[in-house]
Amino acid sequence: NAGVTQTPKFQVLKTGQSMTLQCAQDMNHNSMYWYRQDPGMGLRLIYYSASEGTTDKGEVPNGYNVSRLNKREFSLRLESAAPSQTSVYFCASTWTGPQETQYFGPGTRLLVL
Amino acid sequence: DAKTTQPTSMDCAEGRAANLPCNHSTISGNEYVYWYRQIHSQGPQYIIHGLKNNETNEMASLIITEDRKSSTLILPHATLRDTAVYYCIVRVARDDKIIFGKGTRLHILP
Repeated sequence: NAGVTQTPKFQVLKTGQSMTLQCAQDMNHNSMYWYRQDPGMGLRLIYYSASEGTTDKGEVPNGYNVSRLNKREFSLRLESAAPSQTSVYFCASTWTGPQETQYFGPGTRLLVL
Repeated sequence: DAKTTQPTSMDCAEGRAANLPCNHSTISGNEYVYWYRQIHSQGPQYIIHGLKNNETNEMASLIITEDRKSSTLILPHATLRDTAVYYCIVRVARDDKIIFGKGTRLHILP
């Protein structure tokens, strides 16, 4: 049981390049999320997916697209990266059992030059 | 917008109880209080949550005031490994949108 995994761990992009951040969970959770965290700041929700086939915008969706490929995988795409998207990106999933708990991945550190 | 107010930072001596306050004066009747923490460079970790009653688990205790407008997270015997940013969040249970504020940076002093 690996929990929530993210790839890559680190990435450097040039302005205008595109890339996809991958996230997968093996806990059979329905809900998955993408957050970004800038230095000294709290986490800000980018997009979330309540279930396979559905996605919704969070606080800061501009410049991003997401895809809930199946129940396990939720990807985040930057079509044209900008320096303002330099951040640490966390993926998470939620088990909505009696003791609801959100599990986070280890993060992807992205630098856009 | 985050619905909670927390101090920016706090210090606590190792071995003492760490009491982290959170104000949530606009909390609705069906909203829970959740606490997470984030140790440097790692993803956040769930600690505890509650609705009205005080709650305790192996990590911490959560004390919610009777009017539910504020709460306190208690780490009973703080260790250096408890140094982290602690986030207090109010949300409807099973609501899929979770909004984090800036949290409280807790420093445990040796």
